[in-house]
Amino acid sequence: YVLTQPPSVSVAPGQTARITCEGDNIGSKHVHWYQQKPGQAPVVVVYEDSDRPSGIPERFSGSNSWNSATLTISMVEAGDEADYYCQVWHSPEDPYVFGPGTKVTVL
Amino acid sequence: EGHLEESGGGLVRPGGSLTLSCVAYGFTFTSYSFNWVRQAPGKGLEWVASVSASFGHIYYAQSVRGRFTISRDDAGASVFLQMDALRVDDTGIYYCARDASTGTTGWFDPWGQGTLVSVSS
Repeated sequence: YVLTQPPSVSVAPGQTARITCEGDNIGSKHVHWYQQKPGQAPVVVVYEDSDRPSGIPERFSGSNSWNSATLTISMVEAGDEADYYCQVWHSPEDPYVFGPGTKVTVL
Repeated sequence: EGHLEESGGGLVRPGGSLTLSCVAYGFTFTSYSFNWVRQAPGKGLEWVASVSASFGHIYYAQSVRGRFTISRDDAGASVFLQMDALRVDDTGIYYCARDASTGTTGWFDPWGQGTLVSVSS
């Protein structure tokens, strides 16, 4: 199972960043999103399409339908600059699948 | 919420072996599945192996099947990754991560800080 993400997204501070994750019939799966800053371990920012762990700002939101899931970062801040990865659980033969990652640059 | 701490990384020659360890703190270890996820230098995340609660299910990525072995010690709240026949393309940071989902949605939280494995002659 293959997930596709744009390599990069650029956004000005205070604007909205949208990162897409595409896969065959991805709307039938639960999509999770991770933020990874340089030199740090990944951190989940959205799980099961649209839920946020405690401590993650409401500015981070997710949606999922048909062949595309989206992570939306509202009112982008300089500290949001990071790599973002989508991930799904697919099947016992190919359980945990990551997208290639999207580098978010805050202009 | 708890946290995970990995150890055991290092420099090894191609064809060599290494065992990674991950110790869990602050939550009920036996209730969860655990995973190893790696990241080659400058590259993305790649899931490597998974062991479910009570050893019910063990899965491996195709790239490591037959060479790596994942195991767990519930008494010691630990997860291990035995890596044999190491190749240069096994080089990277290896993260231990808990599957935090209650069903089969499969998401990772928390992650350890990672341990670096370098395979080079």
